[in-house]
Amino acid sequence: KQEVTQIPAALSVPEGENLVLNCSFTDSAIYNLQWFRQDPGKGLTSLLLIQSSQREQTSGRLNASLDKSSGRSTLYIAASQPGDSATYLCAVDSGTYKYIFGTGTRLKVLA
Amino acid sequence: AAGVIQSPRHLIKEKRETATLKCYPIPRHDTVYWYQQGPGQDPQFLISFYEKMQSDKGSIPDRFSAQQFSDYHSELNMSSLELGDSALYFCASSFGGLNYGYTFGSGTRLTVV
Repeated sequence: KQEVTQIPAALSVPEGENLVLNCSFTDSAIYNLQWFRQDPGKGLTSLLLIQSSQREQTSGRLNASLDKSSGRSTLYIAASQPGDSATYLCAVDSGTYKYIFGTGTRLKVLA
Repeated sequence: AAGVIQSPRHLIKEKRETATLKCYPIPRHDTVYWYQQGPGQDPQFLISFYEKMQSDKGSIPDRFSAQQFSDYHSELNMSSLELGDSALYFCASSFGGLNYGYTFGSGTRLTVV
């Protein structure tokens, strides 16, 4: 059974810092992994999708990497801004046509 | 670009009442997924439909049912509501499975009082 864990659970950083959010999954046989952002009480916004054959994806200040063999993905946020404050969720598709979500990292970027 | 539309955005019901949540997927998306997110929790998969047939089922209570219609919209019916059903309910859609990832709707916040 696939389990997805995110570390840290919460993170508070000053504006301008580069930061890394971690996602671990127990079953390396995945089809893809998607990173989402969620603002309090709001919906889920897709940030990056990494297929199993890919090692990384980039969008603006965001870079996500995938290492299937070690069961890890990282989301790198460069030059963090207060507007980046949100909960970041990773979700894994293990070929079951549904995502298993991680527990999320609550990020707060201080001005 | 068109997104996934969910209605209503907010819903308040009393215990033991019935609620119906609606989801309109992105045009040409053939797969719909329903998730439940309790306060402070990660989204939990409930049920999915592909081409109007149920494709997978998660931790969905027997009091809940869902279907996908000929126009690909989906409805989640929840009966005998309990206080613990209070949550954000998300619908997501995709084309042909998850090869291109999900697109989520903004969710319906259900409050049971």
